[in-house]
Amino acid sequence: ETGVTQSPTHLIKTRGQQVTLRCSSQSGHNTVSWYQQALGQGPQFIFQYYREEENGRGNFPPRFSGLQFPNYSSELNVNALELDDSALYLCASSSTGAAADTQYFGPGTRLTVL
Amino acid sequence: GENVEQHPSTLSVQEGDSAVIKCTYSDSASNYFPWYKQELGKRPQLIIDIRSNVGEKKDQRIAVTLNKTAKHFSLHITETQPEDSAVYFCAARDYNQGGKLIFGQGTELSVKP
Repeated sequence: ETGVTQSPTHLIKTRGQQVTLRCSSQSGHNTVSWYQQALGQGPQFIFQYYREEENGRGNFPPRFSGLQFPNYSSELNVNALELDDSALYLCASSSTGAAADTQYFGPGTRLTVL
Repeated sequence: GENVEQHPSTLSVQEGDSAVIKCTYSDSASNYFPWYKQELGKRPQLIIDIRSNVGEKKDQRIAVTLNKTAKHFSLHITETQPEDSAVYFCAARDYNQGGKLIFGQGTELSVKP
């Protein structure tokens, strides 16, 4: 198992609400990437944070936003939830240097929007 | 941007047989190609990866090959076991967008005892 943790495990929200998901990166890792995985699909890149700055973003609207803290943990915020936001949200941590490509995933947060 | 195609979507083999999953990518600038195994309800787990300066990499029963000219890479599992049953995802690192990984659609591997 990796040292990447996420909370909460499961979450149920209604359309229009807002949600905050949390991720703690593996020790020694300073980069966190967020992915959305719909049922039966591969993960889709949302954005990446490196040293508290956004470092790349996928095709997601601005209502998906994030933060990274000085301890390299991260939050994903989604405003104005839509039914299609129901998915498994995964974070992955990685380090800089020669092994910077390698991303280790957390267990995910299962979000259901009703 | 990068696009990754993965085939087949489902694969069923007998225990002890080999399994091969293939992926193609579109961006010649991509330089890192990981493979993840995801069991039902669990996190994607990195099983092997390869960088563009290497043509083949092996780790026990698992191997990955990369053909940069043809822009395709493959996962080979030998002597399959029932615990190999899972969904396997290939991915390519989008070099022009930092650490962004572009994933294939996944292959559901079933190993029958």
